[in-house]
Amino acid sequence: GAGVSQSPRYKVAKRGQDVALRCDPISGHVSLFWYQQALGQGPEFLTYFQNEAQLDKSGLPSDRFFAERPEGSVSTLKIQRTQQEDSAVYLCASSLAPRSYEQYFGPGTRLTVT
Amino acid sequence: AQSVTQPDIHITVSEGASLELRCNYSYGATPYLFWYVQSPGQGLQLLLKYFSGDTLVQGIKGFEAEFKRSQSSFNLRKPSVHWSDAAEYFCARRGSGGSNYKLTFGKGTLLTVNP
Repeated sequence: GAGVSQSPRYKVAKRGQDVALRCDPISGHVSLFWYQQALGQGPEFLTYFQNEAQLDKSGLPSDRFFAERPEGSVSTLKIQRTQQEDSAVYLCASSLAPRSYEQYFGPGTRLTVT
Repeated sequence: AQSVTQPDIHITVSEGASLELRCNYSYGATPYLFWYVQSPGQGLQLLLKYFSGDTLVQGIKGFEAEFKRSQSSFNLRKPSVHWSDAAEYFCARRGSGGSNYKLTFGKGTLLTVNP
């Protein structure tokens, strides 16, 4: 079946603009995760959803970051008033079971803030 | 805090040579450990995982890894590297307690394969 998909694959934003990044998880996967991968670094956890409930948002770096998954499927990561330090690859992952560490990753969205 | 360390930022090997990528972890009695590979423009692909039992685990694409508790290590190996193995490799561990769904990654090792 289809894997995790993300769109857009590349996004260039001017500093101060708002952006929205989309994640389509594998069908039927209960858990959804967002990670941020800065240049030359490993991915870092941002937030976790179980169905539509956001159970952990401890990794979101500031209140400019907001994520939602209103129907328990597609998720959107929104960044308001983007800053240069937000430039990174944003990875989405999903897993079949709740609170599962066996995660399947999408290709990521590369965000460049100019 | 739990952490994963990959001491080598960049490794270059010749095609056909053997490969070992190092990974060390801190804290935790029996960590759940993973190796992922990331090719340019691609997402992370799971190569193998260790939870318990046999300390030598086999993965996809001919990779294997050995868990050594005494050295807090989980090194990835391949006996003969192919040009298509050129990619970035990440070691990761599962979180603990109520956050056991979180993955903590190392900074990665970039593998270059010379013809």
